[in-house]
Amino acid sequence: QSVLTQPPSVSGAPGQRVTISCTGGSSNIGAGYDVYWYQQLPGAAPKLLIYGSTNRPSGVPDRFSGSKSGTSASLAIAGLQAEDEADYYCQSYDSRLSGYVVFGGGTKLTVL
Amino acid sequence: EVQVVESGGGLVKSGGSLTLSCAASGFTFSNAWMSWVRQAPGKGLEWVGRIKSKIDGGTTDYAVPVKGRFTISRDDSKNTLYLQMNSLKSEDTAVYYCTRTARYFFDYWGQGTLVTVSS
Repeated sequence: QSVLTQPPSVSGAPGQRVTISCTGGSSNIGAGYDVYWYQQLPGAAPKLLIYGSTNRPSGVPDRFSGSKSGTSASLAIAGLQAEDEADYYCQSYDSRLSGYVVFGGGTKLTVL
Repeated sequence: EVQVVESGGGLVKSGGSLTLSCAASGFTFSNAWMSWVRQAPGKGLEWVGRIKSKIDGGTTDYAVPVKGRFTISRDDSKNTLYLQMNSLKSEDTAVYYCTRTARYFFDYWGQGTLVTVSS
């Protein structure tokens, strides 16, 4: 059971907009800590997609956006493309845990 | 270009030991915090541990499941990160990723190295 809760799967048609939620608690997202998102394409290593809850690293398309409110965060993907089909993980900081790093369980995005 | 390349994975018996290496390039390794993150087959990501830069104290932190069994170290003269794993268990079977760590998140990842622990 992950400290951060994500839906196991989401899906959408090409061109649509999908969102992936990441729900935490008062010791992590709700305490004001930033959320990070990673994309893992099939057979590949994870790649940083969003940092500081809302910022995109250089090279990440602006179709990807992050938001945070209260004890939750969301990753939105607009204009879905076939190559967006991947696993997506959220990550944050938890003051109660050794080392403080927590991941969500991951969400499989299927492009229909 | 930032690169981190893991090596040293393989098959090991339960109770055995293994040391992973991670060769870094394209950035000032001595100033970087580094971490290991693992992923069991078909499962999600799990943080293993972190080592800070020497200028930030060079201290290490570990996830509870590996504390006391795994040791992270670094050789800044060789731009190399290590993960020594002792008393390995079947649940340690995973792909182990070396990551450059921007304090508490991971901005560059290696391709991973597979560790399989047989019972």
